[in-house]
Amino acid sequence: AQSVTQPDIHITVSEGASLELRCNYSYGATPYLFWYVQSPGQGLQLLLKYFSGDTLVQGIKGFEAEFKRSQSSFNLRKPSVHWSDAAEYFCAVGAWNTDKLIFGTGTRLQVFP
Amino acid sequence: DSGVTQTPKHLITATGQRVTLRCSPRSGDLSVYWYQQSLDQGLQFLIQYYNGEERAKGNILERFSAQQFPDLHSELNLSSLELGDSALYFCASSTLGQGQETQYFGPGTRLLVL
Repeated sequence: AQSVTQPDIHITVSEGASLELRCNYSYGATPYLFWYVQSPGQGLQLLLKYFSGDTLVQGIKGFEAEFKRSQSSFNLRKPSVHWSDAAEYFCAVGAWNTDKLIFGTGTRLQVFP
Repeated sequence: DSGVTQTPKHLITATGQRVTLRCSPRSGDLSVYWYQQSLDQGLQFLIQYYNGEERAKGNILERFSAQQFPDLHSELNLSSLELGDSALYFCASSTLGQGQETQYFGPGTRLLVL
């Protein structure tokens, strides 16, 4: 069965510091992977996605993620965090024949000035 | 703005009652998904419709039902409500719902059952 693990429930970083949010997935075939961000009281906004091809994908707001099949990981990175990045981040995996998404439990990012 | 709209934004009701949540997908999208976000269960897929037909089912309770109408909007009906049904309910849409597509999420409906 598909599953997604986000090992870090809560991360705190200083503004300007680099960021890496971890995501590990379990899926029997080629996964379709997504990162979404949810700001307080808001819906889910797509940051980036991986379907195939280049394993380093670029997203909005300066985020990138790298798909590593050997490690079953799809970690999200940003070189320099801004205070407005404080939010909850969700990793998700999609099935090959539908867009049903399985979400991780989320990582809450706090940014200190 | 994703282009997916949901109404109402907030809903407060009592146990045992029935409510209907409404979703309008992005223009051109044929597939609609419903998700529930709660503190104890996280974000969980409930059900998917494509062009009026149910396509996939997740952990949806028997007290819950959904449908997609000819104009492609969808409704999620929650009945015999319990305290534990309090959650944020998201609707999402995609073009065909056949894989390798992005889902665009609406702002959600926050349901509080008292």
